[in-house]
Amino acid sequence: AQSVTQLGSHVSVSEGALVLLRCNYSSSVPPYLFWYVQYPNQGLQLLLKYTTGATLVKGINGFEAEFKKSETSFHLTKPSAHMSDAAEYFCAVRSWSSYKLIFGSGTRLLVRP
Amino acid sequence: NAGVTQTPKFQVLKTGQSMTLQCAQDMNHNSMYWYRQDPGMGLRLIYYSASEGTTDKGEVPNGYNVSRLNKREFSLRLESAAPSQTSVYFCASSEDPGQGYNSPLHFGNGTRLTVT
Repeated sequence: AQSVTQLGSHVSVSEGALVLLRCNYSSSVPPYLFWYVQYPNQGLQLLLKYTTGATLVKGINGFEAEFKKSETSFHLTKPSAHMSDAAEYFCAVRSWSSYKLIFGSGTRLLVRP
Repeated sequence: NAGVTQTPKFQVLKTGQSMTLQCAQDMNHNSMYWYRQDPGMGLRLIYYSASEGTTDKGEVPNGYNVSRLNKREFSLRLESAAPSQTSVYFCASSEDPGQGYNSPLHFGNGTRLTVT
C-alpha cells in the first residue's frame, strides 16, 4: 500500500531563509507525486507535480521539488522564504493505476520577520 | 471560472440529524472525490466517483453515502450525524486519467461541519 510521510508537523524559518519541507513515500512502483499548499480557511492549491521525465520540478511561487527514487523522497524547497509563504503544505502520492490520491499529514510553515 | 463549488460553507448539526453536502464543478472533469480533513491527519478519502454513474469507497466511508447526480455534481450525505464526523470536508475533481493517473486534483474551499 502507498503511504506518505512528512517529517515535521511544524517548520519555522526566518524571512529570506531557505525553506526545506521533507516528504518520503513508499510505493511498489514509481508513483506520481504532488505538493499542495493550503492557506487558512481555503482549499488546497497545487504547487507542483512530478509525473515522468525531469526529476527537478519547478512550481508556482518559486517552489521546486526533486524526485529521488533511490531515497524515495520528494522534498520541497524555496531559496528565500517570504511572509506570504506561511501556510500548510501537503505532499501526496498517486500510483499510475489508481484514482486514489494519498496525502501526508501536512507541515505547517511559519515565517518569522 | 468557478472551478469546484461547495455548499454550505459552515454547518452545525445535532447528533442524529442528517444533511447533504453539495459539490459542483464546471471543468468538465470525469472524476470527483470527497475528502475529510482532521488536524494532524492530512486528508482522508471518503468516496470517489471515477465517472458519471459510478462510485467507490475510499479509506473512511462508514457513516456516509454519496450520489453522482450527473457529470457536474457529486453530493455527500450524512444520514445520522455523529460527533466523530466533525471535520472539514473537501470536494475535488480531476481530468480523465487517460494513460495514467497523473492528473492533479482541483479542490473546493471546504465545508466546516460541527456535530454536537
